[in-house]
Amino acid sequence: AQTVTQSQPEMSVQEAETVTLSCTYDTSESDYYLFWYKQPPSRQMILVIRQEAYKQQNATENRFSVNFQKAAKSFSLKISDSQLGDAAMYFCAYRENSGGSNYKLTFGKGTLLTVNP
Amino acid sequence: KAGVTQTPRYLIKTRGQQVTLSCSPISGHRSVSWYQQTPGQGLQFLFEYFSETQRNKGNFPGRFSGRQFSNSRSEMNVSTLELGDSALYLCASSLEGARTEAFFGQGTRLTVV
Repeated sequence: AQTVTQSQPEMSVQEAETVTLSCTYDTSESDYYLFWYKQPPSRQMILVIRQEAYKQQNATENRFSVNFQKAAKSFSLKISDSQLGDAAMYFCAYRENSGGSNYKLTFGKGTLLTVNP
Repeated sequence: KAGVTQTPRYLIKTRGQQVTLSCSPISGHRSVSWYQQTPGQGLQFLFEYFSETQRNKGNFPGRFSGRQFSNSRSEMNVSTLELGDSALYLCASSLEGARTEAFFGQGTRLTVV
């Protein structure tokens, strides 16, 4: 079974600084997708960034980027120029690409990010 | 475009009762998944429906069930409620394809007393 581990229950960063959230996963599959989701106090999960396992290039979305190390099964999220609105719980998630029959997301336990003004 | 709508937002039930939660996906999305979120266990997959068929089921007891209607709206039911069923229940909808984004609703907060 696939597992996702986020080893940092809480992190804090100063506004305008950079922070990196860690995520490792375990799978025997070679084709899969990795996601970072953000859950603010409103509880609505919002997709931050997505990475396809077959792509070597790290995904980037504005101030958010990932460091994807497939061999090490590591998928960290870097937030640059942190803003107060970035404060939220961040979840790393895994989904295998099984040809359209399994859309299950496996989540880590989350990292609570605090942004200090 | 309307997002994923879950009703009700909050619910208080008594042990032993049953409850039905509703999820209306984004128009055009045929895949609907349900997750249970608790402080101790985190986010756990309950089940996924696609075109009215349950495709996947998580490791939950048979008291948890669901269904999907022809308009892709989904309901989940929990019978004989236990205190441990208190949780945030999240619904997510998506288009076909593993790379597609799962759009989540704001959840239903269920409290069992």
